[in-house]
Amino acid sequence: RKEVEQDPGPFNVPEGATVAFNCTYSNSASQSFFWYRQDCRKEPKLLMSVYSSGNEDGRFTAQLNRASQYISLLIRDSKLSDSATYLCVVYNNAGNMLTFGGGTRLMVKP
Amino acid sequence: DGGITQSPKYLFRKEGQNVTLSCEQNLNHDAMYWYRQDPGQGLRLIYYSQIVNDFQKGDIAEGYSVSREKKESFPLTVTSAQKNPTAFYLCASSMGQSNEKLFFGSGTQLSVL
Repeated sequence: RKEVEQDPGPFNVPEGATVAFNCTYSNSASQSFFWYRQDCRKEPKLLMSVYSSGNEDGRFTAQLNRASQYISLLIRDSKLSDSATYLCVVYNNAGNMLTFGGGTRLMVKP
Repeated sequence: DGGITQSPKYLFRKEGQNVTLSCEQNLNHDAMYWYRQDPGQGLRLIYYSQIVNDFQKGDIAEGYSVSREKKESFPLTVTSAQKNPTAFYLCASSMGQSNEKLFFGSGTQLSVL
């Protein structure tokens, strides 16, 4: 089993739709969680951190479920510019390293 | 402006050739990393360095070599022993002891002729 797993997609949604991605992680000792956005052939960029209480940034909401070991990303009112690959990233204090999921590709259509 | 610079943006390798990818940062970060990304996949760690003159293998180090002679620089050599080198290579850095937040370079696409 991979340490961090994501549905690769693609998720094809119309503009204005709400879409959600999940990401599961295997190491219960994982401390911190992040969502990165990556455009084709570009570097990943931090989208948001994921806090235990959940957090929201505009149209984006991230949640953490430690009991079931998954994090989620919800995008409301999708824009064409949201089309990208979303990487789930998990940080483990013990190893002091980040582990990347394979990414979920989102395509927002007019 | 502070940042992390990778060069070249595109690189072509001939059979049996070694090639070196450059990564320079002026963020005064202690730690630097090299990742490989294949189409439709996540990032896999090749090598990392927490301090000058020291580096460790990541998950897929075979066929690669690195050096860390200066804090600012962490070049990656793709040797002829790497039989499938075509990929997108990303360099990153982080500050201090916690490697939670990474700063990425813009990447190098390596292809085999």
